[in-house]
Amino acid sequence: DAKTTQPPSMDCAEGRAANLPCNHSTISGNEYVYWYRQIHSQGPQYIIHGLKNNETNEMASLIITEDRKSSTLILPHATLRDTAVYYCISWGSSNTGKLIFGQGTTLQVKP
Amino acid sequence: EAQVTQNPRYLITVTGKKLTVTCSQNMNHEYMSWYRQDPGLGLRQIYYSMNVEVTDKGDVPEGYKVSRKEKRNFPLILESPSPNQTSLYFCASSRAGVDTGELFFGEGSRLTVL
Repeated sequence: DAKTTQPPSMDCAEGRAANLPCNHSTISGNEYVYWYRQIHSQGPQYIIHGLKNNETNEMASLIITEDRKSSTLILPHATLRDTAVYYCISWGSSNTGKLIFGQGTTLQVKP
Repeated sequence: EAQVTQNPRYLITVTGKKLTVTCSQNMNHEYMSWYRQDPGLGLRQIYYSMNVEVTDKGDVPEGYKVSRKEKRNFPLILESPSPNQTSLYFCASSRAGVDTGELFFGEGSRLTVL
């Protein structure tokens, strides 16, 4: 069973912020939230990760709720090249290497 | 350049003919894993390895074998491929540790079993 749940698809207008939600209600205290994206059939690419605090890098921002049961990936100014499948996963020392990706969210950025 | 290399990238084979998909990483990563991707099913983990000589099953290990004799290599072995193993396969690696889980993925190997 997936440890995270995401909406199957979302649309976003080019130039606007894309906000992708993820529920991880069973996340344990030492598990991080990671986001990856996959463009077409290429290998998934790391975007960002966090534990408790909000995080920002050159690609995106990650907002984690205080209870850590959900998070939002924000692409501040979506471009057509951001059209991809986005995966949210939880991973920490308790996982012993087993990862469940789920089906992700297909983000379609429209002109 | 840091990379995960998979070979072959494309392969068409027949049922029952043993094949190996190789995976090699040049980042001295402890953790390596294999995934298959099928339409509508996302990425599913086949096997993973936390370090040399340490391997364990993921969610869909049936019909597959792996080995981890060296740190850099993690081959996926299909002893007797069947058509239901037609899929897109990805290998990934990362450093071990709680906050070092950035996975680096290979470019994928598209396998067709006739």
